Formats: sequence, C-alpha cells, structure tokens
Amino acid sequence: GAGVSQSPRYKVAKRGQDVALRCDPISGHVSLFWYQQALGQGPEFLTYFQNEAQLDKSGLPSDRFFAERPEGSVSTLKIQRTQQEDSAVYLCASSHTRLLWDTQYFGPGTRLTVL
Amino acid sequence: SQELEQSPQSLIVQEGKNLTINCTSSKTLYGLYWYKQKYGEGLIFLMMLQKGGEEKSHEKITAKLDEKKQQSSLHITASQPSHAGIYLCGAGIIQGAQKLVFGQGTRLTINP
Repeated sequence: GAGVSQSPRYKVAKRGQDVALRCDPISGHVSLFWYQQALGQGPEFLTYFQNEAQLDKSGLPSDRFFAERPEGSVSTLKIQRTQQEDSAVYLCASSHTRLLWDTQYFGPGTRLTVL
Repeated sequence: SQELEQSPQSLIVQEGKNLTINCTSSKTLYGLYWYKQKYGEGLIFLMMLQKGGEEKSHEKITAKLDEKKQQSSLHITASQPSHAGIYLCGAGIIQGAQKLVFGQGTRLTINP
C-alpha cells in the first residue's frame, strides 16, 4: 500500500489478556518506530527498529511490552497481561533510511481499550 | 513530554483569521517536525526544519525555527475549516538518536 497500515484499528481487551498489534510499514522503509499516545497527549516513543534489529527499546514501559520485526518489514507489538493503564493509541511510523532525522510517516494507529 | 511545550493548548479562531502556534524545547533541538492529527487518525507530516533560521511554507502554512531560542512557530494565514485539527511538534533532542519527543499538541478549531 501507499502508506503505513496498522491492524486492528480498534482492540478491546479484558485486563490480563495478551494482545498483538501489527504494523505494515511503507514498502522498502528501513526504519520503524512504535509510539504510545495517551488521550490528550502527544505520542511517546516506545521502540525503534533498523531493518530487523531493535536498536532502541528505552521507551517500553515494562517487560510486559515486547516488539519484533523478524524479517525487517512487518512489525508486531505485543502486550502481555494487559492493564488499564495500557489503554492508549499505539502508533507505528516508518522512515525510508537509517539517516537521522529522516521524515517519519505515521499509520492510523490502533486504539487499545483495556477493561 | 516536558521537553517540548506547545502553546496555546487550544485555539479557536474565526475562518479567515491568521494564527500562530509555538513549540519551545528545554533542550537542544536536532530537527523539528510539525504534524497534524485529526481525531481517530494518524499523524500527517507537514514540515521539517533542521537549521537555525530556516523557514518553510506549504500552501498557507509557514514554519520557522529559531535555534538559539530552541523554539519553532507554525503560522497559518487566512485559516480555513480544513485547517482544524491537532497540531503536534516533534523533535530530536538526543544527538545520534532517531526517536522523537512530542509536545502535547494544540487543538485548533475554526469557526465559520
């Protein structure tokens, strides 16, 4: 597709359930980012991949959060044992190169609600 | 993010009026991005500024970067209903790191 796509667009989980969020970056984009956006706030960085290598995971809030990009294209963000504070929009972004400050293009996000 | 502060947090203007949104960093900026977000949607890239004094324009939107003040402004001329949304500034504040930090956003409403 022409842009970054994410699925599902909406996810409702019961507290304690595991969830998996998928990101399809723009074809050929080397860099991939995950951000978390709480209601009324700006996005906050979670993790960064360059191809299949996870180079920065400093923003992951706990060891319940895990991200992977095994073949350097599609990425999955997994949250284990979801908690209410995990409710947020999860945004994926990709950029063409590994160069610093290459423009990041964002997907529509997955809105996660934990009951 | 406390590193980037946007002002105002919300803005209501009459259609046709000009407006300015500011973004101030508490740290050195390594690249400053402006994005627009509509409810339920992702971020739409508007402009990127890298050098102090740089100014870019796209249609009726102009962004400037004042590197010394660690500040950027976004100016919209003759606002239209299509300009309504949430404007976010994002910046690299860690040298050598790809990640961006974002301001809390400015919600812009255009009244007809």
